[in-house]
Amino acid sequence: GENVEQHPSTLSVQEGDSAVIKCTYSDSASNYFPWYKQELGKRPQLIIDIRSNVGEKKDQRIAVTLNKTAKHFSLHITETQPEDSAVYFCAATPFWGSASKIIFGSGTRLSIRP
Amino acid sequence: ETGVTQSPTHLIKTRGQQVTLRCSSQSGHNTVSWYQQALGQGPQFIFQYYREEENGRGNFPPRFSGLQFPNYSSELNVNALELDDSALYLCASSLGQGDQPQHFGDGTRLSIL
Repeated sequence: GENVEQHPSTLSVQEGDSAVIKCTYSDSASNYFPWYKQELGKRPQLIIDIRSNVGEKKDQRIAVTLNKTAKHFSLHITETQPEDSAVYFCAATPFWGSASKIIFGSGTRLSIRP
Repeated sequence: ETGVTQSPTHLIKTRGQQVTLRCSSQSGHNTVSWYQQALGQGPQFIFQYYREEENGRGNFPPRFSGLQFPNYSSELNVNALELDDSALYLCASSLGQGDQPQHFGDGTRLSIL
């Protein structure tokens, strides 16, 4: 069945360093890959997304890469700051005609050390 | 622009009862998706509604059902509540299906005693 695996489950980096979170998806029909940030007790917030016809996308300190052949996609955060501490979720969206669903990874808890 | 709003914010029920959760989509959005998020886990897709019809469903039993109204607001109904149904229920709206960004509400925290 459809599955999204996310690694690592926890990540601690020094402020100013980079953080990388990796995901693998199983359904080749997936064509849209959003990333969400969820702070404690708050709603998931879309931070960046990428579509299957693009290999890389960047927005300030955040970048996402996609390898459709290997079914891998990754989130890169550079120059990390304390406010980057949160749980990050990757997701994949299999889409067939008029039907779609979104499959989330299990999350990565990112902690930024001062 | 009005964001996604959900009600109630918290709810306590007992096993066997029924519950209805409500969601108002973001202005201009015609698609609503519902998710269940257990503590410490990622959101699990329940189903999606587009133009008042269910057009995608996750691995949830039929006692999870929904509706979408002409104004694109939506309800999630759960019958015969079980202890494992305790979770945060999130609603997300988008402008269309597939590769459209989904924006989440704050969720309803459901506790089953």
